[in-house]
Amino acid sequence: AQSVTQLGSHVSVSEGALVLLRCNYSSSVPPYLFWYVQYPNQGLQLLLKYTSAATLVKGINGFEAEFKKSETSFHLTKPSAHMSDAAEYFCAVRNTGNQFYFGTGTSLTVIP
Amino acid sequence: DTGVSQNPRHKITKRGQNVTFRCDPISEHNRLYWYRQTLGQGPEFLTYFQNEAQLEKSRLLSDRFSAERPKGSFSTLEIQRTEQGDSAMYLCASSPRVRGLKEQYFGPGTRLTVT
Repeated sequence: AQSVTQLGSHVSVSEGALVLLRCNYSSSVPPYLFWYVQYPNQGLQLLLKYTSAATLVKGINGFEAEFKKSETSFHLTKPSAHMSDAAEYFCAVRNTGNQFYFGTGTSLTVIP
Repeated sequence: DTGVSQNPRHKITKRGQNVTFRCDPISEHNRLYWYRQTLGQGPEFLTYFQNEAQLEKSRLLSDRFSAERPKGSFSTLEIQRTEQGDSAMYLCASSPRVRGLKEQYFGPGTRLTVT
């Protein structure tokens, strides 16, 4: 069965500081992994996706994530936080049957 | 705007009433998904369609829930005899007819409040 676990439901960083949002996955097959961002009262927007082509995946808005099979992790990072990054972030895994399983989300606060 | 649209954006209903939501996917996207999202949680898969065929349904989709996509374009999600536990954001997503990994494009959601 596929699932994802997001460690830390709330993360606060100072503007300009490193952003690190953690995601660990459980999958019986090579996974397809995603990070989505959700702003208040809006739908989810894709940040980046892992398709096994490269372990380091670059996404929009300066975010990137590294797939580490040995750690079953797919953590999201950004070198320098911006105020506009404040949002809810979801990690997701897709199974072979096209179902997506989302984590419980991490709320990112950026402190000026 | 060619994104996924959902209507209504907000719905307040009394317990026991029926409600219906509509989702219009991105044009020519053959797959359409419904999710439910409660406060502080990630989206939970409810069901998905490939064209007009409903291929998978979650155990979360009780007998009071029904979804249709009659012509393979827009979809409706109906909840009969609503309960307070049905209060949530209902999200629709679609994905394109391309080979390989198909990412999902989400609509803004319909927020249901059952009083």
